[in-house]
Amino acid sequence: DTEVTQTPKHLVMGMTNKKSLKCEQHMGHRAMYWYKQKAKKPPELMFVYSYEKLSINESVPSRFSPECPNSSLLNLHLHALQPEDSALYLCASSQVGGTRGNTIYFGEGSWLTVV
Amino acid sequence: AQTVTQSQPEMSVQEAETVTLSCTYDTSESDYYLFWYKQPPSRQMILVIRQEAYKQQNATENRFSVNFQKAAKSFSLKISDSQLGDAAMYFCAYRGSSNTGKLIFGQGTTLQVKP
Repeated sequence: DTEVTQTPKHLVMGMTNKKSLKCEQHMGHRAMYWYKQKAKKPPELMFVYSYEKLSINESVPSRFSPECPNSSLLNLHLHALQPEDSALYLCASSQVGGTRGNTIYFGEGSWLTVV
Repeated sequence: AQTVTQSQPEMSVQEAETVTLSCTYDTSESDYYLFWYKQPPSRQMILVIRQEAYKQQNATENRFSVNFQKAAKSFSLKISDSQLGDAAMYFCAYRGSSNTGKLIFGQGTTLQVKP
């Protein structure tokens, strides 16, 4: 069972809609991540939060807006998406510091379809 | 820049047999971590095994073991006594010693297990 929980598991949205993906972890990790994955491809990093501060933005379009309200929660706000944004969105977390700080644990993902 | 290469897009193995998945990587760093992740059709990314570069001993986790050759920059995964539930896409991944560094994935190998 994953300790990184993502909701919703499936989301269908129109190109003018505003929606959010949510992620929660209870492992005490202080780094959280958003990845985007297309079919039969490896995940692509979008954002990294470390100690609730955005540390990496991989030149993601502004129609994706991340938010980290606290150390356990990570949101991805979606607005004016395009059909090519349809993908599996994976949330992940890890500790920061020490030898255990390098293992990233993933949630089950949120399937997003933009129509 | 670091790169990870998986040269086998697809592999198949007979149930109860052993299979080895290949992975090579390129880096100029001396301290890093290597991972194998499994992604079944359910799409959750599951950690299979990890290896710290400073450790000479190959990591093992039950039926899963790695052959880590640091000088050759090779990191293969051996699955013994293959089971139907092992069928999945397997990703090799690299992460540098920076604790908020990127997780760099290979292109993946799809493993089919034949009954």
